[in-house]
Amino acid sequence: DVKVTQSSRYLVKRTGEKVFLECVQDMDHENMFWYRQDPGLGLRLIYFSYDVKMKEKGDIPEGYSVSREKKERFSLILESASTNQTSMYLCASILKSGVSEQYFGPGTRLTVT
Amino acid sequence: EDQVTQSPEALRLQEGESSSLNCSYTVSGLRGLFWYRQDPGKGPEFLFTLYSAGEEKEKERLKATLTKKESFLHITAPKPEDSATYLCAVQGATSYDKVIFGPGTSLSVIP
Repeated sequence: DVKVTQSSRYLVKRTGEKVFLECVQDMDHENMFWYRQDPGLGLRLIYFSYDVKMKEKGDIPEGYSVSREKKERFSLILESASTNQTSMYLCASILKSGVSEQYFGPGTRLTVT
Repeated sequence: EDQVTQSPEALRLQEGESSSLNCSYTVSGLRGLFWYRQDPGKGPEFLFTLYSAGEEKEKERLKATLTKKESFLHITAPKPEDSATYLCAVQGATSYDKVIFGPGTSLSVIP
């Protein structure tokens, strides 16, 4: 079974802090994704990556950056956390580009105070 | 612009009471429509992929169908363990690997 893990289940940070969320998948998947999930809005794509050191903006990249130095690891960075970034963050991966189901991690519930 | 809506927002059923969830979509050239199940505090879990109108897929008490404008997730004789949020998502021809998710339907099955 594919396993996608995220570094923290719950995180509380202060406004202005730099926040790192890490995601690791163990099945040699090429593509990885970061979403945020908010009530009534569904999952919205922040960034995705096709390969090591490659990244593409999703629908809501403002205020975020990403890093993919190794194939199995995809990090989401909040350069200066703000209260409107309080959300559930979900990482996902797929084996390769195409029409493919996504495998999700358990999520990180981030609260910015 | 690709768009997905789901209805109802929430659904409460008695155990054994069959019903359907709706997913309406607008997309430029559908490549695939996905259904996921999400339990509270967890990430979504894949259920089905549908590729073209007329296609149907089944898994236990769940059956997904697809037309050119919408998809239905039929739940037959549901059990309390079917309680979850069900998400629909579409992948269009112009969006490459990007998938657009709907807001979900929260299903509660009462014993």
